[in-house]
Amino acid sequence: AQSVTQPDIHITVSEGASLELRCNYSYGATPYLFWYVQSPGQGLQLLLKYFSGDTLVQGIKGFEAEFKRSQSSFNLRKPSVHWSDAAEYFCAVGPSYNAGNMLTFGGGTRLMVKP
Amino acid sequence: SQTIHQWPATLVQPVGSPLSLECTVEGTSNPNLYWYRQAAGRGLQLLFYSVGIGQISSEVPQNLSASRPQDRQFILSSKKLLLSDSGFYLCAWSHQVGEQYFGPGTRLTVT
Repeated sequence: AQSVTQPDIHITVSEGASLELRCNYSYGATPYLFWYVQSPGQGLQLLLKYFSGDTLVQGIKGFEAEFKRSQSSFNLRKPSVHWSDAAEYFCAVGPSYNAGNMLTFGGGTRLMVKP
Repeated sequence: SQTIHQWPATLVQPVGSPLSLECTVEGTSNPNLYWYRQAAGRGLQLLFYSVGIGQISSEVPQNLSASRPQDRQFILSSKKLLLSDSGFYLCAWSHQVGEQYFGPGTRLTVT
């Protein structure tokens, strides 16, 4: 069965600093990979996705992620963090096709931004 | 464009009372639909998903149930709420493959 691990439960960075959130997955074939962001009391918003092709994908709000098959990782990065980026971030993996298109989510990483 | 609605946004209910949460999707047809729950400070737990009208799959046995009376309507219900049912309930939709799109959520507090 597939699984997703986000090793960092909490991360604190200073505003303007760079950010990398880690995501490792376990899956038997080439997965579909996603990063979502959730602000307090709100639903999840899709930041970016990887299906195939270029392993470096660009998303909204200046985020990018790199798929590394050899490391089973899909880390999220941003070169300069803004205070508005403080939120919970979820990595998710999906099979290329299944009945129901279920996704497996990691436990989330809470990002705090220091002024 | 597609939109997803959930209501109510917040709900406070006593233990033992019934529950009905509604989710509707606009701008697409025959979507897959999902109900998730987030307990405080926890991750996402998939409760139910549906690939078509009247087709419901349960991921976690509990006192909740789901129904899909129309193509773009998904309802989460309970006959008698428990304290442990408190949480943030999220509805999502997807095409047959790919990303899921989430609604704004319903905050349920059982007292």
